[in-house]
Amino acid sequence: QQQVKQSPQSLIVQKGGISIINCAYENTAFDYFPWYQQFPGKGPALLIAIRPDVSEKKEGRFTISFNKSAKQFSLHIMDSQPGDSATYFCAAIAETSGSRLTFGEGTQLTVNP
Amino acid sequence: DAGVIQSPRHEVTEMGQEVTLRCKPISGHDYLFWYRQTMMRGLELLIYFNNNVPIDDSGMPEDRFSAKMPNASFSTLKIQPSEPRDSAVYFCASRGTGAPTDTQYFGPGTRLTVL
Repeated sequence: QQQVKQSPQSLIVQKGGISIINCAYENTAFDYFPWYQQFPGKGPALLIAIRPDVSEKKEGRFTISFNKSAKQFSLHIMDSQPGDSATYFCAAIAETSGSRLTFGEGTQLTVNP
Repeated sequence: DAGVIQSPRHEVTEMGQEVTLRCKPISGHDYLFWYRQTMMRGLELLIYFNNNVPIDDSGMPEDRFSAKMPNASFSTLKIQPSEPRDSAVYFCASRGTGAPTDTQYFGPGTRLTVL
C-alpha cells in the first residue's frame, strides 16, 4: 500500500513536444505529491509538488495534473527541451506518518534536438 | 550554502571489506536521510534522523548496515562486511525543521562498487 507506480520507464520526445509521465498510488493517506528531477551524476532535486486539494498546478513549462478519485497524478512538460533530458521521479508522503517519502520507479526522459 | 556534502564520491572495494560513507547536511537542517538507488529497486529510504536521533530505520536491509549521527553536522553509513549486491549509489539528503512535506535536499551521492 506504500507503493507509487510510475510509467513509462523511459520516454523519448522531440524538441518542442509534450512529455507526459504518469503515477498511481494506493495509500489514501498520502497528502503531498512532489516530483523530483535527477541529472546524471547528481542527486534528485525538487521540481514541482501538489496537494490533493487542487487538480492542477503549473510552474512554467511544468504542470502536475491530479485526479484524487482515481488516485493518479501526472507530470506534463510542455515545449520539451534537450536540457529537460533527465530522470524524473514522482513521490508521495503522508504528512501525519512522518517524513518517509515513497518514490516511484523513475522515468528516463530523452528530448531529441 | 554549500548544499549537502557527501564523501567519497566514488568507492571501489572488495567483498568483505568495511565501507564508510560520510555526509554533511545543510547547516541548520534537523532531518537527515540516507537513500540507496539501484536500477532494480529505484530509490529506497534506508534510515532517517531527527536531531541526531534515528527515527525510522525500517529500510536498513540487514545487520551489515549501520548509520550514526554523532552531531548535527555529520553522519555516517557503514557497511560491514560489504557484498557485491551492495553496489549502488547512496544518497544523503537533509531538510529543515518545518513540515514533513518540506523539501528534502539531496547530496551528489556516493557510487559504491563492491567487487
